[in-house]
Formats: sequence, C-alpha cells, structure tokens
Amino acid sequence: SQQGEEDPQALSIQEGENATMNCSYKTSINNLQWYRQNSGRGLVHLILIRSNEREKHSGRLRVTLDTSKKSSSLLITASRAADTASYFCATVRGGGNKLTFGTGTQLKVEL
Amino acid sequence: SQTIHQWPATLVQPVGSPLSLECTVEGTSNPNLYWYRQAAGRGLQLLFYSVGIGQISSEVPQNLSASRPQDRQFILSSKKLLLSDSGFYLCAWRLERRYGYTFGSGTRLTVV
Repeated sequence: SQQGEEDPQALSIQEGENATMNCSYKTSINNLQWYRQNSGRGLVHLILIRSNEREKHSGRLRVTLDTSKKSSSLLITASRAADTASYFCATVRGGGNKLTFGTGTQLKVEL
Repeated sequence: SQTIHQWPATLVQPVGSPLSLECTVEGTSNPNLYWYRQAAGRGLQLLFYSVGIGQISSEVPQNLSASRPQDRQFILSSKKLLLSDSGFYLCAWRLERRYGYTFGSGTRLTVV
C-alpha cells in the first residue's frame, strides 16, 4: 500500500521559477527520501531527511519535514528544463527495512 | 564504486510463459536488495526484499517469486505469467537505513 501522497499530481512551470512539491504520510517514520524518475528510467536518489531533522539542502534542492503534520516538501529553486521528471517521496518506518513510495508528482519545466 | 545491473531492459512475453529477471550489485557486500513494480503512471509497489542470502520477504501475494542465491544477486521469477504482471520492474539496493537506495535502470515487461 502507498504510504505517501504527493501533491500536486502534476505541476507545470516556466524555467527559472521555483517548484514546490508536497508529500504527506500516515505512520511514524525513521527517514523520508525524495527520488526523481525521468520517463521510462530508473529512480535517482535526491535527498534523505531523518525524522529528527527539519530542513535539509542539497544544491538547488530544499527539503523540509514536519513530523507533527506528517508532511514534507521539496523545493527546487531556479528550475531548468532538465528538471522535468516525476518526483517521488518515500519513507522508511521505525526499525524497518522497507522503502514505501508515494504516488509521485509529474513536473514539467517549460522553456 | 558500487553499481547495479539489471537486465533485460525490455521484455515481451506471452501469457503462461515463465519469467526470470536478474539483478546484480557490484562493489558492496551484504546489501539489502529489493524488487519493485511500477504500473503505468503510478508509484512503486514493493514486491520482495532480502536482507541476506536465501532470506526473502514477500510483500504482495501474487504469482511471482524471488530468490537470492548469492550475496549480490537477486532474481525475480514466475512460472506462468499473467497479463496483470505487465509493468516496469525495478531492482534496488541499500546498505544501511541512513542511506538512500540505488536503483537499477529497470525492465519493462509486457505480457501479451
């Protein structure tokens, strides 16, 4: 079953704008991860944030985590056409070995 | 450096035929290994995972099975494919919970 739900399901922006995607999950977690998937390809790990962290940065990516609301957001600043892809959040529960994915957000960055 | 190999990239199989997808990892030891399936336009569904040789945990009842005959080899199999087995199959590995997962390039299976 899906642990996370991304919002919006699809997002279209112009190059140079910021893109924000949100993820909500249902149970307590050990960490939350964001992945990118280009069409028809495998997933690429972007960033991992632990349950005791509130914000994390990596290049143009900024991830926040609010465990009280069971939600996370991924911000991509100064987007580029190459950022066009599907973005998934995924969670690892407590002592678990499993990564459970959300339904994904399709981001399209137009020139 | 660690790499993950998954093959074939695409596969078209008739209903009722057997299936064997292989995934191998290089450059690491005793990884956790995972098989996911992605239906068109959907998220990823965990099918099997393994924390060691011969140790398989099944997440979804289905006509698929998995085996881990060697530390860095993970195989997804079926004796008789169904139309509903069509999808994009992804293998992944990780070492510790504090790290992200590394995915293979996937196999697109079409059952006809």
